[in-house]
Amino acid sequence: EADIYQTPRYLVIGTGKKITLECSQTMGHDKMYWYQQDPGMELHLIHYSYGVNSTEKGDLSSESTVSRIRTEHFPLTLESARPSHTSQYLCASSEYAGSEQFFGPGTRLTVL
Amino acid sequence: GIQVEQSPPDLILQEGANSTLRCNFSDSVNNLQWFHQNPWGQLINLFYIPSGTKQNGRLSATTVATERYSLLYISSSQTTDSGVYFCAVNGYSGAGSYQLTFGKGTKLSVIP
Repeated sequence: EADIYQTPRYLVIGTGKKITLECSQTMGHDKMYWYQQDPGMELHLIHYSYGVNSTEKGDLSSESTVSRIRTEHFPLTLESARPSHTSQYLCASSEYAGSEQFFGPGTRLTVL
Repeated sequence: GIQVEQSPPDLILQEGANSTLRCNFSDSVNNLQWFHQNPWGQLINLFYIPSGTKQNGRLSATTVATERYSLLYISSSQTTDSGVYFCAVNGYSGAGSYQLTFGKGTKLSVIP
């Protein structure tokens, strides 16, 4: 079944740790995105990729980094987590730029 | 960038009642999506509706692109309809890229 997967779903870690949030999709889509959502707020785009070895920053500045080595995989990394990184992170994909986006279940990150 | 305004911000309904949610946007857009975010944080696609009217069961949506607004209708509401409804518009942001911009959402509570 075509879907978007994110792991872990929940993560609680201490300040200074390096973390990687995983996102993979079996939709066959070229375009992938990462959004950040603070509790009770709207989503903001932090990274996107239109294909392998192509990544761009979104409108919301983020200390995270991303990579796109395989079409179906788009991980997000925080080198040194801080309490200000506490948020929900949602991954999405679309068939082409500007078309309908589909979202994964999200990762709730808490940094103590 | 494109501004997206949703109204009302909060809505409380008795089970069985009907409601209309509104989304206004500030510029021409490529497409528009409505989402329902459930209590676990997952975004569920409701409609992909750049223009016209679509219906899916008790939900329907209308987008009037020339007047820059969209409406989401919920009929015979159920407690499972509770959650946050987001409108998101996809506009061209330059250099061949498109960005999905979210409104702040309407928080719907359906009480028995």
